[in-house]
Order: sequence, then structure tokens, then C-alpha cells
Amino acid sequence: EPEVTQTPSHQVTQMGQEVILRCVPISNHLYFYWYRQILGQKVEFLVSFYNNEISEKSEIFDDQFSVERPDGSNFTLKIRSTKLEDSAMYFCASKPTGGNYGYTFGSGTRLTVV
Amino acid sequence: GDSVTQMEGPVTLSEEAFLTINCTYTATGYPSLFWYVQYPGEGLQLLLKATKADDKGSNKGFEATYRKETTSFHLEKGSVQVSDSAVYFCALSDLRAGTALIFGKGTTLSVSS
Repeated sequence: EPEVTQTPSHQVTQMGQEVILRCVPISNHLYFYWYRQILGQKVEFLVSFYNNEISEKSEIFDDQFSVERPDGSNFTLKIRSTKLEDSAMYFCASKPTGGNYGYTFGSGTRLTVV
Repeated sequence: GDSVTQMEGPVTLSEEAFLTINCTYTATGYPSLFWYVQYPGEGLQLLLKATKADDKGSNKGFEATYRKETTSFHLEKGSVQVSDSAVYFCALSDLRAGTALIFGKGTTLSVSS
């Protein structure tokens, strides 16, 4: 069964550093998403991406965050200057076209900011 | 805006007990409804979904019925197993528009033998 692949599975970074979280969505999917889950808390939507542009973003997705689809297969989330409160599990998800097709999630990247 | 409310956990049950996890939603339009499960240390897996009113989603012995009149999508299982111990998230989205999932806070289920 096709999978959404996320790398790395765990990243530790110093406060103020830039991090890039990588995702390879399922190849024929057209909608891409990033979510985060702070330890023990709910899963929060960050951003969605369709047709090479952001289609929706939450209040969490401020100027510190950016997304890219640099080469037609990867989908990246960049955090420019990490803060302690960015420590969380970050999930990528993808979806085929509109219609009643569901979302497929990756297994997540655990980001620890120290 | 749209939102999902789940019952607070943790829910602690003995093996073979009946499970209900309540979920209600607020939405404009006609969302699709989902239950996701997160096993310890793992990502989110789709457990079941329903795309319109009165649809019943089912998988692995779990069921949930989309009730538009009560805006609910309660998760049930007749006989839980230790392996069902996980966090369960109710969620909604407008699938056809490709909008993002909105999740509830999650309910932790712990099943003991």
C-alpha cells in the first residue's frame, strides 16, 4: 500500500536554528498538509498546499514557517528560527483529488528544540 | 468555525468490555467525519469514516454512525482488546474541497486484561 514518508523520524536542534522537515507524499496525490501535535495534546492543522501554492493556513503558521514542493516529489516544512515551543511531532499528510478520498498520514517527525 | 468535541479521557476498561467514545461536531455545510487512532509511539491511522448523514463507518470491530440530527459521530466497539489501547481522535473535513482535517482533542483508551 502506498505510504507517505517523512524524514527524519527525530530531529534535535538548538533554539534559533533553522530546520527543514521532509515529506514524500503519495505520488498521484494533489493535496498536501502539515499538522503538529505538541506532546499529549491535540493534532493541530498548520497548512495545506495545492497546485503549487498554499491553499489554507492556520494562525500557528506565521512568518517563521514556510512550505515548498521543490522537485515535484518532496514537500518540505521549514521553520526559520526555532523556539522551544516548536517542539512537537510534525505530521505530513496527502490526499488525491477532491472527492471522497481520504487523507494518508506519514509516521511523523519528532522535533525537539533545546 | 468548524470544531469537534470529544469526551475527556482517559477511558479505562477491562478486556471484552463495551466501548463508547462520544464525539460531537459543529460545522457549516456537510462535512465528512473520521476516527483516527494513534498507537503508542506511532503516527495517525484512519480507523473509519463516513461521508454523509446516516452512513455507518466500520473497521476492526469499531463502528460509528453519522447522525446529522444530533451532530454526533460516536465510536463504539462491542468487545475491546488490550491491543485497542491507543489515543482516538474524532475529526471532520470537507473532503470534496480538500480542506484540512479538524481534530478533536483525542481520547486515551487503556484496556487491561
